Amino acid sequence: SQQGEEDPQALSIQEGENATMNCSYKTSINNLQWYRQNSGRGLVHLILIRSNEREKHSGRLRVTLDTSKKSSSLLITASRAADTASYFCATDATGANNLFFGTGTRLTVIP
Amino acid sequence: DTGVSQDPRHKITKRGQNVTFRCDPISEHNRLYWYRQTLGQGPEFLTYFQNEAQLEKSRLLSDRFSAERPKGSFSTLEIQRTEQGDSAMYLCASSSPPGNEKLFFGSGTQLSVL
Repeated sequence: SQQGEEDPQALSIQEGENATMNCSYKTSINNLQWYRQNSGRGLVHLILIRSNEREKHSGRLRVTLDTSKKSSSLLITASRAADTASYFCATDATGANNLFFGTGTRLTVIP
Repeated sequence: DTGVSQDPRHKITKRGQNVTFRCDPISEHNRLYWYRQTLGQGPEFLTYFQNEAQLEKSRLLSDRFSAERPKGSFSTLEIQRTEQGDSAMYLCASSSPPGNEKLFFGSGTQLSVL
C-alpha cells in the first residue's frame, strides 16, 4: 500500500495565485521528496527535505515538514500555466530500499 | 540525452501473451527501481536492484513477473501470461548512493492488455 496521501486530490487555480498541497505519511522517515508528473510522462524530482529540517525553499517552491504530525506541504508561488501537472510526495522511510509515493494532487493552473 | 530511457513507450498485447520491457538507467547510477502506476494513482514499488543484485521485491510482483539486471547496467521486466489487470504504466528509475535520494525516472512503458 502507498505510504502517503495527498490533499486535495485536485486543485484548480488562476495563473498568478499560490497553490498549496499537503501530504500525510505513516512511518518514520529519512527524508520526504516532492515530484512532478506531466500527463503520460515520468516523474521529475522537485525538492527534498530531510527529517531534521522544517522548511526548505527552491525558486518558487516552499516545502515544510512536521515530523510530529507526519505531514508536509508544498507551496508553489505565483503559479504559471506550465505548472499544470500532478504532484506527488514520496517518503524515504527508515530502513527502506525504495520510495513510497502518495496518491498525488492534480493541479490545474488556468491562464 | 543521458537520462533514463525505457523501451517501448507503448505496448498493446493480448491476454495470455508475454511481454518484456527494457530500462537503461543513467550510466553512473548503481540503483535501479521498477514501479507500476495506474491511472489516477501514485507509483507503486515493484522491485529494486543495487548493481546486478535484486535486493527487494514487492508483494505486488507475482510469480508471473521477473526482473533482471544482468551486468548491473540495463534492466528488463518480463510479465508472463499477461492479464487485463496488468494494464498500467511501468516506470523505471535510477539513483546513485547514498540512498533513495532524487530518483531519476524514465518516461515509462504504457501496457495495455486486451
